[in-house]
Amino acid sequence: EVQLVESGGGLVQPGGSLKLSCAVSGLRFSDSAIQWVRQTAGKGLEWVGRIKTKPRNYATIYAASVKGRFTISRDDSENTAYLQMNSLRTEDTAMYYCCRRIDTPGSPVDYWGQGTLVTVSS
Amino acid sequence: DIVMTQSPLSLPVTPGEPASISCTSSQSLLYSDGYNYFHWYLQKPGQSPQLLIYLGSNRASGVPDRFSGSGSGTDFTLKISRVEAEDVGVYYCMQDLQLPLTFGGGTKVEIK
Repeated sequence: EVQLVESGGGLVQPGGSLKLSCAVSGLRFSDSAIQWVRQTAGKGLEWVGRIKTKPRNYATIYAASVKGRFTISRDDSENTAYLQMNSLRTEDTAMYYCCRRIDTPGSPVDYWGQGTLVTVSS
Repeated sequence: DIVMTQSPLSLPVTPGEPASISCTSSQSLLYSDGYNYFHWYLQKPGQSPQLLIYLGSNRASGVPDRFSGSGSGTDFTLKISRVEAEDVGVYYCMQDLQLPLTFGGGTKVEIK
């Protein structure tokens, strides 16, 4: 059974930091490009960023709204991806999902985690 | 960024009847390899999105054949031939032709 399990969400004050984890099982993690997507009631689904695989140099890219504040990393030995979030703002409040696609052209995002809730509030 | 526009916003349906959802993109999603980089997802209540249709018209593994996707370029349609109670939820279209990945605003399907 394929599972992506996010953890690390919670309540944090504006300006604070949080690190989310995404533990993957049931598929070849090393072949998977990992995306982070967030969801709010007001803005719907918003892509946050992604990290590619080792053959593609673990390349990362981010949405403009989080660039310079968020960092995606991965540990293939642990089948886990991470989202480090710094300088958090109230507008970063959302459900955060990790999801994956096989790192080849044309492959869709096919598996999603259950999400972890991040609330940024004083 | 590519803007994805879905309609309708809400779709009340009668079990056993057909249903149709449209999605329009602000740019063509047809790539030089002949594929439309366009997908449909269903988010059931309390769950994360699940892949229904990929590359415009291909059903994902385990998806019932009452679901079908069509369209090319900028205009796409998801059809449910006979709606069942388990089909309720919010349907999203998504493009991954170029970053950032972008999603439609969603269509909420509910039983009348």
